[in-house]
Amino acid sequence: SQKIEQNSEALNIQEGKTATLTCNYTNYSPAYLQWYRQDPGRGPVFLLLIRENEKEKRKERLKVTFDTTLKQSLFHITASQPADSATYLCALGDSGGGADGLTFGKGTHLIIQP
Amino acid sequence: DAGVIQSPRHEVTEMGQEVTLRCKPISGHDYLFWYRQTMMRGLELLIYFNNNVPIDDSGMPEDRFSAKMPNASFSTLKIQPSEPRDSAVYFCASATKLGRESSYNEQFFGPGTRLTVL
Repeated sequence: SQKIEQNSEALNIQEGKTATLTCNYTNYSPAYLQWYRQDPGRGPVFLLLIRENEKEKRKERLKVTFDTTLKQSLFHITASQPADSATYLCALGDSGGGADGLTFGKGTHLIIQP
Repeated sequence: DAGVIQSPRHEVTEMGQEVTLRCKPISGHDYLFWYRQTMMRGLELLIYFNNNVPIDDSGMPEDRFSAKMPNASFSTLKIQPSEPRDSAVYFCASATKLGRESSYNEQFFGPGTRLTVL
């Protein structure tokens, strides 16, 4: 069955350092991968999309890589700030012809310490 | 835009009772998704609609769950009868295929309904 794994334990990073979160998947060939941020008591918020034929995407302090051979995506936050503390979810999607339901990992809780 | 609206925000009910969760998607979005989030299982897709038509309901756990979308601005998720194991946060999300290429299938989530079944 399809399986997505993210760091189950909280990740503690010192302010100003780069935070790197991992998303691994098995038994899946996604057409694209997304990263969402979720704050306590709120719904997830979209951050970045990367397609299967792309290696890397950047948006401001965020960078995501996608290795379909390793079946892994890395999500980086550079110059991290306490406001970046949240749970980050990776999500995989199948189709390229329209929106579809996403398969989410359980998320990694990131804590940026001042 | 007010974003995706869900009601109620919190629901506490007793086992065996019927529960109805409501969702209003973002105007103009033609896709609507229902997800459920628990600590054990994470965020799971239950069902999604395109242009008010159910496309994939394979995530609906059992016949006790049903979802409808009578028009483009309203959807319901009903659980009847409810059980303690249904306790979770239920999210509604909407999307449009007409978005930017860089945010393909960006899903906009509502604030969720926290359901507790006693």
